[in-house]
Amino acid sequence: QVQLQESGPGLVKPSQTLSLTCTVSGGSISSGDYYWSWIRQPPGKGLEWIGYIYYSGSTYYNPSLKSRVTISVDTSKNQFSLKLSSVTAADTAVYYCARGGYGGNFGLFDYWGQGTLVTVSS
Amino acid sequence: EIVMTQSPATLSVSPGERATLSCRASQSVSSNLAWYQQKPGQAPRLLIYGASTRATGIPARFSGSGSGTEFTLTISSLQSEDFAVYYCQQYNNWPLTFGQGTRLEIK
Repeated sequence: QVQLQESGPGLVKPSQTLSLTCTVSGGSISSGDYYWSWIRQPPGKGLEWIGYIYYSGSTYYNPSLKSRVTISVDTSKNQFSLKLSSVTAADTAVYYCARGGYGGNFGLFDYWGQGTLVTVSS
Repeated sequence: EIVMTQSPATLSVSPGERATLSCRASQSVSSNLAWYQQKPGQAPRLLIYGASTRATGIPARFSGSGSGTEFTLTISSLQSEDFAVYYCQQYNNWPLTFGQGTRLEIK
């Protein structure tokens, strides 16, 4: 059974960089069959897709966040990571990592982490 | 980016009744439309993809229809565990985008 688990600080100061890691177990991030995404959800609001990374390191970011986002992968640790720079209170959200590739379509998410709340506050 | 609009924002239905949720795309997404269910404190769960195909393990009371810009999720006979928030998502174009959600509550 594939499992994803987010980890990282729950509190980040304004203007600093948010950093999260997703650890994948029960399957290899290098299988090539999946894209690995970050998705966020502000409290009480809807879902926003942030971006994906492929095991090779190729990425695609949501244009709305592109200037501040970096997603990287460490296949040796079966992990991928998110960095979001220059954060403001608007970046306060539950951050999910998710596996895209259900049915061979990279935009469909079948496995998600439990989510981690990141609060931006001084 | 493609904007997804869901209606209504909140739907109140009695257990055992039928619920119909709508999703509209700002431009055609063909049949590349998915529905997710989210319960409080949980991650979303994939219900429907390809506009009308149930994901593995999803009960037959969930059905989807539509193509192009207009889509519908129908839950034929609501069970207590179905009361949740439902999101549509298009995967026809990058960036992927979600609707704002429909909260299905007990009447």
